[in-house]
Amino acid sequence: EVQLVESGGGLVQPGGSLRLSCAASGFTFSKYWMSWVRQVPGRGLEWVVNIKQDGSDTYYVDSVKGRFTISRDNAKNSLYLQMNSLRVEDTAVYYCAREVGWRAFDIWGQGTMVSVSS
Amino acid sequence: QSVLTQPPSVSEAPRQRVTISCSGSSSNIGNNAVNWYQQLPGKAPKLLIYYDDILTSGVSDRFSGSRSGTSASLAISGLQSEDEADYYCTAWDDSLDAVLFGGGTKLTVL
Repeated sequence: EVQLVESGGGLVQPGGSLRLSCAASGFTFSKYWMSWVRQVPGRGLEWVVNIKQDGSDTYYVDSVKGRFTISRDNAKNSLYLQMNSLRVEDTAVYYCAREVGWRAFDIWGQGTMVSVSS
Repeated sequence: QSVLTQPPSVSEAPRQRVTISCSGSSSNIGNNAVNWYQQLPGKAPKLLIYYDDILTSGVSDRFSGSRSGTSASLAISGLQSEDEADYYCTAWDDSLDAVLFGGGTKLTVL
């Protein structure tokens, strides 16, 4: 079964750090661009960042540039999101997603909740 | 405020047809493919349409997509209660080097 499973979410204080993980299974992880997408509960979706198959290229939404870092380990079929200098406005459910075609996300994880609060 | 503009809500009766619009600009919809997602309450989004008008495998052919100029639309025919959900359009933006989501449209089947 093709599957993405996120982990690592939790409650953190403003200015703190958190590392999210996404475990992929059921497909050849190394062949796909991967993305992180977030959603504030009750609000819309926001794309955050993506990474090329070999990790050589990444794109970030402006609001997280310099604070978040995406990475991947193809040997472990895993995607990561290192989040530093967290802000209250980063509070959201974070999804990892597989990209197909032109920036279409065909497989999504169940999401992991990140809460930034003092 | 999203750069891709969708109506916040639409509603229509069962068995009828509804369209959801997505308006952008030359740097996104005007130059790149549009994708559409359905999100049921409490669930992860589901890809419905990609490359403007290609139906994802397993998705009902009651769903269709189109793009013209700087706008795109999602049409749902033969509305059913199970279609009640939030719908989002996306497109890559060449100026921002980012994937943009529309603000989302909540569909109510009356």
